[in-house]
Amino acid sequence: DGGITQSPKYLFRKEGQNVTLSCEQNLNHDAMYWYRQDPGQGLRLIYYSQIVNDFQKGDIAEGYSVSREKKESFPLTVTSAQKNPTAFYLCASSMVQGGGELFFGEGSRLTVL
Amino acid sequence: ILNVEQSPQSLHVQEGDSTNFTCSFPSSNFYALHWYRWETAKSPEALFVMTLNGDEKKKGRISATLNTKEGYSYLYIKGSQPEDSATYLCAFWNRGFQKLVFGTGTRLLVSP
Repeated sequence: DGGITQSPKYLFRKEGQNVTLSCEQNLNHDAMYWYRQDPGQGLRLIYYSQIVNDFQKGDIAEGYSVSREKKESFPLTVTSAQKNPTAFYLCASSMVQGGGELFFGEGSRLTVL
Repeated sequence: ILNVEQSPQSLHVQEGDSTNFTCSFPSSNFYALHWYRWETAKSPEALFVMTLNGDEKKKGRISATLNTKEGYSYLYIKGSQPEDSATYLCAFWNRGFQKLVFGTGTRLLVSP
């Protein structure tokens, strides 16, 4: 089955720790995205990548980092510099960047204790 | 700053009712308008991607219209069923900013 797999589904972290969220896709899509959802807000773009070894900051990139070493993988690291990391994180991909339909993972919920 | 507004925020209807939601977006530099359905504990799934003014799309009991000149799209559900209960997101792709901007969604609950 083609799709996007995010892991872990739930993650607890102590303040001051970095944590990495995994996102893998087998759809052969070029573009991948990370979004954050907070209560009462729309999905906000953290980072996106249009091609391997290239990525761009979204609207709320501060305190986050990404890599795109393989087409299938786009991990997101939430660093200790992120002031309010408790949130729901969604990874998505699309065939190309430019208005095409997004395919989403099921999300990862991060709670900082 | 691009803003996408969805209304209502939430809606509770009875099985068999028809309903509709609104998505408002900036009309300048329009490129595409997306509708997604997001059921609890699942991934958001695309319903429609619309690009042309006057576009109308249909998938079963769900349909959508698009007015790019005035900056709005309507999503209609005919004869709502409990399985239609979900959050419906719209997202706007702007040529200038080259990214999707999401609204906050309309949460629909359909009671049997």
